[in-house]
Amino acid sequence: DQQVKQNSPSLSVQEGRISILNCDYTNSMFDYFLWYKKYPAEGPTFLISISSIKDKNEDGRFTVFLNKSAKHLSLHIVPSQPGDSAVYFCAADQTGANNLFFGTGTRLTVIP
Amino acid sequence: EPEVTQTPSHQVTQMGQEVILRCVPISNHLYFYWYRQILGQKVEFLVSFYNNEISEKSEIFDDQFSVERPDGSNFTLKIRSTKLEDSAMYFCASRDQTRGRVYGYTFGSGTRLTVV
Repeated sequence: DQQVKQNSPSLSVQEGRISILNCDYTNSMFDYFLWYKKYPAEGPTFLISISSIKDKNEDGRFTVFLNKSAKHLSLHIVPSQPGDSAVYFCAADQTGANNLFFGTGTRLTVIP
Repeated sequence: EPEVTQTPSHQVTQMGQEVILRCVPISNHLYFYWYRQILGQKVEFLVSFYNNEISEKSEIFDDQFSVERPDGSNFTLKIRSTKLEDSAMYFCASRDQTRGRVYGYTFGSGTRLTVV
């Protein structure tokens, strides 16, 4: 039962361009969404989050958009930098659930 | 920056053998978790632990799995009789409850378990 889906296993973009990573979810009870970034041989690290009462959250080069009616969120990175090359996981949280629900991840490669 | 430490980074074991994966959570965190990621699949929740007992577990966490906090610093995951399908990257996490339920998760770098 995959409640959080990342349908693109990989994405390549040129340095300086925009990276858009997508995530879909099925559980309407999710009320908080997070993006984690993972480098090889490291654990996932928190990047940015958004509450279900918002539709946008921005932090520097990173912006997360939430479309609740479509059960879809996206992470925009602009401008993309080679150091952004990593696996990005979308995760969701639900009030009362003491764990996160993750997607399968998208491997972003930023080409210099 | 405090870290969650996991050992070993890679473990190879024969099918049917017992393995213990070790984690040292951040010292002032009170919630501890194990997640795993089978290659190419999603990161899956296994178990959460609070106040010296399991607070939640997934259907993956069957009788072959157990967790323990033996000495106040280590947090271990034991698999009693490993199966080929247990091969995965296992992540330990701890949570700073003072930062709220979503901001406070810190993950370790993982243990890659290979069952042969």
